Amino acid sequence: GAVVSQHPSRVICKSGTSVKIECRSLDFQATTMFWYRQFPKQSLMLMATSNEGSKATYEQGVEKDKFLINHASLTLSTLTVTSAHPEDSSFYICSAIGTSGPDTQYFGPGTRLTVL
Amino acid sequence: GQQLNQSPQSMFIQEGEDVSMNCTSSSIFNTWLWYKQDPGEGPVLLIALYKAGELTSNGRLTAQFGITRKDSFLNISASIPSDVGIYFCAGGSSGAGSYQLTFGKGTKLSVIP
Repeated sequence: GAVVSQHPSRVICKSGTSVKIECRSLDFQATTMFWYRQFPKQSLMLMATSNEGSKATYEQGVEKDKFLINHASLTLSTLTVTSAHPEDSSFYICSAIGTSGPDTQYFGPGTRLTVL
Repeated sequence: GQQLNQSPQSMFIQEGEDVSMNCTSSSIFNTWLWYKQDPGEGPVLLIALYKAGELTSNGRLTAQFGITRKDSFLNISASIPSDVGIYFCAGGSSGAGSYQLTFGKGTKLSVIP
């Protein structure tokens, strides 16, 4: 199957700093990528849909100025958590739609963000 | 928004037993997908269902897309210790110009050797 990578896998930062998370599709071109966050023992909650070359579409309740998404190429999307606070600590997972069609999404391994 | 009810929330079974879990929704979905997530990892696709009534197998896993398009089940036969993990159902739908997945809350499976 298609491979999606995320970097970093874990990050610890101080409150008030910004953190960038990268999501890459390694062996296919992804016109659409998605960003999810997952709290412990919870399900995945969609944050935003990222389309290459255009602005991301954010879900209701997600602050676009806090969670900056850039999808500059067909293989890379980035999520920047600006002015991070402890409540932003979570597991962030990206996914990408592969060339087999929009009906399946391939997920990255996730990034564990801890804000002190 | 759309919500999925996934049950059971957790289950403990003996190795070798069969397992069944299901998801229901008040909304219709175009596709149903089943994922498995190990701790600290992203979800991995197990089975994708595209048509109402479709029954699909992947090794010891069998899943069905409900005829009403509002439900799906996943069966695991002859469970083994590596089946341990959290299983998520996801309903796929098109809207606002893009395709999105709505996830159930997961079923945590524990297998006792």
